Amino acid sequence: GNSVTQMEGPVTLSEEAFLTINCTYTATGYPSLFWYVQYPGEGLQLLLKATKADDKGSNKGFEATYRKETTSFHLEKGSVQVSDSAVYFCALSDQGGTASKLTFGTGTRLQVTL
Amino acid sequence: DAGVIQSPRHEVTEMGQEVTLRCKPISGHDYLFWYRQTMMRGLELLIYFNNNVPIDDSGMPEDRFSAKMPNASFSTLKIQPSEPRDSAVYFCASSSIRVINEQFFGPGTRLTVL
Repeated sequence: GNSVTQMEGPVTLSEEAFLTINCTYTATGYPSLFWYVQYPGEGLQLLLKATKADDKGSNKGFEATYRKETTSFHLEKGSVQVSDSAVYFCALSDQGGTASKLTFGTGTRLQVTL
Repeated sequence: DAGVIQSPRHEVTEMGQEVTLRCKPISGHDYLFWYRQTMMRGLELLIYFNNNVPIDDSGMPEDRFSAKMPNASFSTLKIQPSEPRDSAVYFCASSSIRVINEQFFGPGTRLTVL
């Protein structure tokens, strides 16, 4: 079946540091890939997505590239801020072309300090 | 748009009691999802509906859990009888086939069963 593996957290960084959160996946077919973010006390919200190989999703300074050859979708940001402290979830869709259920990773907590 | 609305935000109950969680999806969305989040198991999909019809309930943990969607603007998740191991944050999410696989999450209901 489909699965998503994320690096374990927490990840602790100083403000303005470079961020990478690794995500690899196992899936049949050609899934779409997503990063969701959960701020304290809130629900998840979509951060970025990519729907086919070599696509790059980007939002709020975060980027991730859909790498089919390595089955990866690593999240990066060049300079993190304290306000980026949250839990980040990598996810994939199990069907292409329709709204359907997502398979989530276990989440990676990011803590950014001054 | 008010987003996905969940009630109550917090629920504390005693073992054996019936618990009902409520969700109002975003108007016009075709899909509704119920998730459970715990530290031990992460984010789990319990059940999802398409056009008010349950499509996949394989994640419902046992017969004590039931979910309904009587109309396009309302869904309930019921636990009867509740047990301490049901303590978790329960999220409702909705999505539209017009925006493939982007799920919009509610703020969640934090359930504590004593």
